[in-house]
This record gives sequence, structure tokens and C-alpha cells, in this order.
Amino acid sequence: GAVVSQHPSRVICKSGTSVKIECRSLDFQATTMFWYRQFPKQSLMLMATSNEGSKATYEQGVEKDKFLINHASLTLSTLTVTSAHPEDSSFYICSARDGRPLGYFGPGTRLTVL
Amino acid sequence: GIQVEQSPPDLILQEGANSTLRCNFSDSVNNLQWFHQNPWGQLINLFYIPSGTKQNGRLSATTVATERYSLLYISSSQTTDSGVYFCAVEYGNKLVFGAGTILRVKS
Repeated sequence: GAVVSQHPSRVICKSGTSVKIECRSLDFQATTMFWYRQFPKQSLMLMATSNEGSKATYEQGVEKDKFLINHASLTLSTLTVTSAHPEDSSFYICSARDGRPLGYFGPGTRLTVL
Repeated sequence: GIQVEQSPPDLILQEGANSTLRCNFSDSVNNLQWFHQNPWGQLINLFYIPSGTKQNGRLSATTVATERYSLLYISSSQTTDSGVYFCAVEYGNKLVFGAGTILRVKS
């Protein structure tokens, strides 16, 4: 089956620093990738949608200058949390689709900002 | 936007018991999926079920698209079934998640 990986799985950083999270589709080409954020005991909230080679489309209320998304190839998308603060601490999950209805989810990245 | 409501929010079962989880949605959707999120956070796709009934082992799901609901049945529950169950609907090009049902199966 289709596999999506994320790196790192867990990251701890100091307030004010930037953190980059990678999402890779390992055995298929992802025309669309999605980034979600999940706070403890809550559901997944879509942050943005990116198509390869295009600018990401951000959901209402998500700061595009704070959460930089790059989908430079059909197998890689990155999410950079710039000038991270403790309130950005969350579980970030990516999903990738190859044009078919079913999307595949990565294992998630747990970000802790001290 | 679309509303996706899941019930119950929490469920505690004794091992071996059966259960039904429900997902209601407020508008027509392109597809519906059920996921299990394990304790490590990984989302595991259980069913892709825009309509009709599907079965996979002890799990089965039914979606009645015309009435805007879906049901997930878990039979003979096991402790490994514990976790959070989400339904998600495709609305436009987006997958919108319900709030989830937290299931705990006790031995």
C-alpha cells in the first residue's frame, strides 16, 4: 500500500526558532498534500492544501507567513513553523493524494516549543 | 461549511462486547472515510465508504448518503481496538473530520 513518511517524528525547540517538518510519499507521486494540526484530545484541523509546483492554499485563520509550506516535488512537501512559540506546540500530520479519492496519512510530528 | 458530528464522544466497553459508532453530516459529500487513530497518533484507514455497506473482519460500516449518516460497527471488541475513531467526509477537495469517538476496551 501507499506509504507516507514524516520527519522528524518528534522535535523540541526553543521559543523564537524555526522548525521544518518533512512529508514524503515513498511509493507514489503526490499531486496534492495536506497539512493538519491536532491539539491534545481534539480532532484534526486542516491548515493548508498544496499542489506540486503551486502556492499553498491556507485555511481561514492560519497565518501563511508563520506556517510556510513548500511542495517542490511530487514526493516531498515541507512545513516550516517560523518563530515558533509555545502555543504552536501540537501534533502536525500530513496527508498525500495521487489524484484518486483516497488519501494516505503520515505518522505525524509532535512539536514542543519551550 | 459542512458539520460532521460523531457520537458517542466516549465509550467504554468490556472485551467481547459490540458497539456502534455514528457519524452525521450536514450536506452531501463526495466520500466518507472511517479512521482509527492509535495511541502513537497514526491514522489508519478503516473504510472508504461513500455509500452502502462494507465489512472487514470484526468491523463493518454502512453509509446512507441520502440520510447523511454513517455507522461503524465493532463486534467482539478487543483491547487493541482502543483509541480514537474518526469519520471524515470529503467536501470539495478537503477532508473534514468529526470530533471523534474515544473508545476504551477493558479486559
